[in-house]
Amino acid sequence: EAQVTQNPRYLITVTGKKLTVTCSQNMNHEYMSWYRQDPGLGLRQIYYSMNVEVTDKGDVPEGYKVSRKEKRNFPLILESPSPNQTSLYFCASSLSGRNQPQHFGDGTRLSIL
Amino acid sequence: GNSVTQMEGPVTLSEEAFLTINCTYTATGYPSLFWYVQYPGEGLQLLLKATKADDKGSNKGFEATYRKETTSFHLEKGSVQVSDSAVYFCALSGGGSYIPTFGRGTSLIVHP
Repeated sequence: EAQVTQNPRYLITVTGKKLTVTCSQNMNHEYMSWYRQDPGLGLRQIYYSMNVEVTDKGDVPEGYKVSRKEKRNFPLILESPSPNQTSLYFCASSLSGRNQPQHFGDGTRLSIL
Repeated sequence: GNSVTQMEGPVTLSEEAFLTINCTYTATGYPSLFWYVQYPGEGLQLLLKATKADDKGSNKGFEATYRKETTSFHLEKGSVQVSDSAVYFCALSGGGSYIPTFGRGTSLIVHP
């Protein structure tokens, strides 16, 4: 089954404790991205990747890091999380970034205390 | 840059009512247009798409037509059901940018 898998689905942690949210897709997609969803603000893109070893900033990259060492994986790293990063996060992938629909994971709800 | 504007919600309807959710866009070139649906506790799912002017996307009774002259892609359904209650996102991709652009989402609540 074609899917985008995120882990964990839920996480409660404390300020400053490094965390990684994993994302994996099994569709051989070139394009992957991370979004955060906040009430009243819709979806905002954090980072995206056009292919292996190619990443770029989205609209709200501050406080986040990503890497793309393999085509299928695109982890999101919060090196020193803060409460304003409490949000619902989605990973998505598409065949290419242009003119293609995106496939979304089920989301990761992060709470930073 | 590209942008998508969709009507604010929530939109509250009775079952079997007619639905319209407005979406307009700004983009250079010829983007593809999409509607996604997000059910509670889930990620976004593609509902329908259109890739060129005058194309009509349709799925599950929902329809939207790519109107280049009015830069619009309004979502319609003739008779909504309680199970259609969800958040709907209008989006575009292409049109001079590799970064997909999403609207803020419109919450639909359908009462029995």
